[in-house]
Amino acid sequence: DTEVTQTPKHLVMGMTNKKSLKCEQHMGHRAMYWYKQKAKKPPELMFVYSYEKLSINESVPSRFSPECPNSSLLNLHLHALQPEDSALYLCASGSGERGTQYFGPGTRLTVL
Amino acid sequence: SQQGEEDPQALSIQEGENATMNCSYKTSINNLQWYRQNSGRGLVHLILIRSNEREKHSGRLRVTLDTSKKSSSLLITASRAADTASYFCATGYEFDDMRFGAGTRLTVKP
Repeated sequence: DTEVTQTPKHLVMGMTNKKSLKCEQHMGHRAMYWYKQKAKKPPELMFVYSYEKLSINESVPSRFSPECPNSSLLNLHLHALQPEDSALYLCASGSGERGTQYFGPGTRLTVL
Repeated sequence: SQQGEEDPQALSIQEGENATMNCSYKTSINNLQWYRQNSGRGLVHLILIRSNEREKHSGRLRVTLDTSKKSSSLLITASRAADTASYFCATGYEFDDMRFGAGTRLTVKP
């Protein structure tokens, strides 16, 4: 299985809502990543988990809270988001050590 | 933060022509990768070239790397309409983090 899955595909939420994005991979990869991508811009790294431990946090606001329950799953908990947080959120996995990353299809998030 | 700069930002060619995209970066790297993204979807890995390699081929793709100039190029030969997408270079230097260039939007007209 060489696929990274993400749910939901689309999400619309208000600024007071709490929601979660989910990501799953079954390739045995030890590293998992969250990226944020605005329209016509490159993906921006948010978080990196290595062996289920948070190894990189790119100074992301606390309204984004990542969680890695096990080696196959990665969540991104959202709370009190702002309209400017509307973007495509991409999950990726890889063997780490600056190697190839495998991306999911993304969750299109709209914050009203 | 963004690491690489790519040019051109947009490229429009006819089917069958070759497309060349360039990427420049600022710091020392361990490797450089190229990814493709179809509109609004996830990224697909195309090719990885290590810092001690100068050229790499994969099908219709040819990538070069010049570490002295801190630049790389991606050549797509005999382009097809299905090659229409955004292409990003990505550089890895610190452990596990990867930074993407601004990307080139390629349009291949049938």
